Amino acid sequence: AQSVAQPEDQVNVAEGNPLTVKCTYSVSGNPYLFWYVQYPNRGLQFLLKYITGDNLVKGSYGFEAEFNKSQTSFHLKKPSALVSDSALYFCAVRDIGGNTPLVFGKGTRLSVIA
Amino acid sequence: NAGVMQNPRHLVRRRGQEARLRCSPMKGHSHVYWYRQLPEEGLKFMVYLQKENIIDESGMPKERFSAEFPKEGPSILRIQQVVRGDSAAYFCASSLTSGGPDTQYFGPGTRLTVL
Repeated sequence: AQSVAQPEDQVNVAEGNPLTVKCTYSVSGNPYLFWYVQYPNRGLQFLLKYITGDNLVKGSYGFEAEFNKSQTSFHLKKPSALVSDSALYFCAVRDIGGNTPLVFGKGTRLSVIA
Repeated sequence: NAGVMQNPRHLVRRRGQEARLRCSPMKGHSHVYWYRQLPEEGLKFMVYLQKENIIDESGMPKERFSAEFPKEGPSILRIQQVVRGDSAAYFCASSLTSGGPDTQYFGPGTRLTVL
């Protein structure tokens, strides 16, 4: 069965500092991995995804994520945080082997402090 | 290019009533997914539909819940005889294909409150 763990419920970072939001996954085969962001009372917005190839994936709004197969991780990063990045971030996984549903983590709330 | 649309955005029902949630996918998308989000939790998959077909309903409760995606018109998630535990945000997503790497794009959600 697929699963995603986001070990931190909350991440606080000062504006201008780098940020990392952690995600680890478990699938039986190889994964497709996704990051979404949710602002209050809004739907999820797609940030980036890993399919294959380069382990470093660049996405929207200056975010990037690094796929690490040996550590089964897909951490989200940004070199310099903005206050407007404050939101709820979700990691999701899908097994490459079949047409299985997207499985989401519980989310990490990011607060960027001015 | 309109994104995924959901209505109503907020829905209040009394216990025992029916709730109907509608979702119009992005233009050109024929694959629709419904998810439920409980407070302080992630999204849980409920059902996956293509036009006129239910492909995967493994996440949907066996009773009171049903979904359809007719040839014409939006996808409908229907909850009969609602209970307080049905209070949640319900999100619809659509994708161009059913392929694994294809991105799912989400609507703004319907927030259901059961009194």
